[in-house]
Amino acid sequence: AQKVTQAQTEISVVEKEDVTLDCVYETRDTTYYLFWYKQPPSGELVFLIRRNSFDEQNEISGRYSWNFQKSTSSFNFTITASQVVDSAVYFCALSETGSARQLTFGSGTQLTVLP
Amino acid sequence: KAGVTQTPRYLIKTRGQQVTLSCSPISGHRSVSWYQQTPGQGLQFLFEYFSETQRNKGNFPGRFSGRQFSNSRSEMNVSTLELGDSALYLCASSWGGRGNTEAFFGQGTRLTVV
Repeated sequence: AQKVTQAQTEISVVEKEDVTLDCVYETRDTTYYLFWYKQPPSGELVFLIRRNSFDEQNEISGRYSWNFQKSTSSFNFTITASQVVDSAVYFCALSETGSARQLTFGSGTQLTVLP
Repeated sequence: KAGVTQTPRYLIKTRGQQVTLSCSPISGHRSVSWYQQTPGQGLQFLFEYFSETQRNKGNFPGRFSGRQFSNSRSEMNVSTLELGDSALYLCASSWGGRGNTEAFFGQGTRLTVV
């Protein structure tokens, strides 16, 4: 069985602070994909990143960075110099089949960035 | 390029009724997946349709069903509604071929059962 745990239910930071969202996963497969999605108040899930199990290289995209560590089954997400527009619910998700069509989601982390 | 369109955006139904939700995927995408989002259970996979066939199914009762048309548009039906079916229903569109790993989500249909 697969499982994704986001232990942080809510996080509040002040604008320009850095913040890290934690994600821990469980899977028996050797090939799998990990995702991060952002859900603003409008409701749609916005794709942020996809990483496969064979690629442990960290990735940086602007103010966003991701740290994937298979040894600890973690795929953490850091926002540098947070902005009010970053306020949203962030979901980590796992796909065992390599497909984003059948995702197992974590419970989400509500991030609030205060001005 | 138009995004994923879900209709209606909001619905209020009475317990015991049935409801049909619609999802129009991105042009060229052949896979549509449905998810239920509730405060208690979070985001849960319902089922996926590809080329008019159900390809995967989550752990939901038979009251939840779906179908896909030849133009890839998909409908989801819930019969004999229960209060617990109140949720945001999201659909995701993807190309659906082997190796494709990105899905684009619609804004969802918020269903309230009273």
